[in-house]
Amino acid sequence: SQQGEEDPQALSIQEGENATMNCSYKTSINNLQWYRQNSGRGLVHLILIRSNEREKHSGRLRVTLDTSKKSSSLLITASRAADTASYFCATVGGGNKLTFGTGTQLKVEL
Amino acid sequence: DTGVSQDPRHKITKRGQNVTFRCDPISEHNRLYWYRQTLGQGPEFLTYFQNEAQLEKSRLLSDRFSAERPKGSFSTLEIQRTEQGDSAMYLCASSIQLENTEAFFGQGTRLTVV
Repeated sequence: SQQGEEDPQALSIQEGENATMNCSYKTSINNLQWYRQNSGRGLVHLILIRSNEREKHSGRLRVTLDTSKKSSSLLITASRAADTASYFCATVGGGNKLTFGTGTQLKVEL
Repeated sequence: DTGVSQDPRHKITKRGQNVTFRCDPISEHNRLYWYRQTLGQGPEFLTYFQNEAQLEKSRLLSDRFSAERPKGSFSTLEIQRTEQGDSAMYLCASSIQLENTEAFFGQGTRLTVV
């Protein structure tokens, strides 16, 4: 079953703009991870944020986590056409597995 | 080591036939996961192994599904008497410890049941 929802389901922006995706989850977590998936391919890990962290940066990525609201956001700055993909959040709780959200489809247009 | 490998990449089968997929994880990873993904959805957990022990199975995994990891290295996922609803992408992932690090995914096996 899915852990929660991602918002928006689809996002279309121009190259150079920022893209923000939100993720909500239902249960307590150890950490939350974001993955990217190009069409019909496997998933690639982007960033991991632990439950005791509030914000994390990696290159053009910024992730926030609010455990009181059970939500996270992924910001991609200065987007590029190559960022076009589906983005998924996934939580790790006590069960030692990733539980994925429904995903956001991002399209970056030239 | 080039990452997680899955074979085959694509499989078309007739309803009622059995299919078997293989996953070769990253060699030093003791954990191996199987997920299923349908179009427009996130991956759904099926089962996971720590070394050769199958530690958790989802309720999604009906009696027609069986997974093995006989020597704690590669794993197989078999679907017996396939149904059209089994059509999906089957993803394999491996990791050391998800509490502290990420999982690495293979490219998946796309199953089409006709």
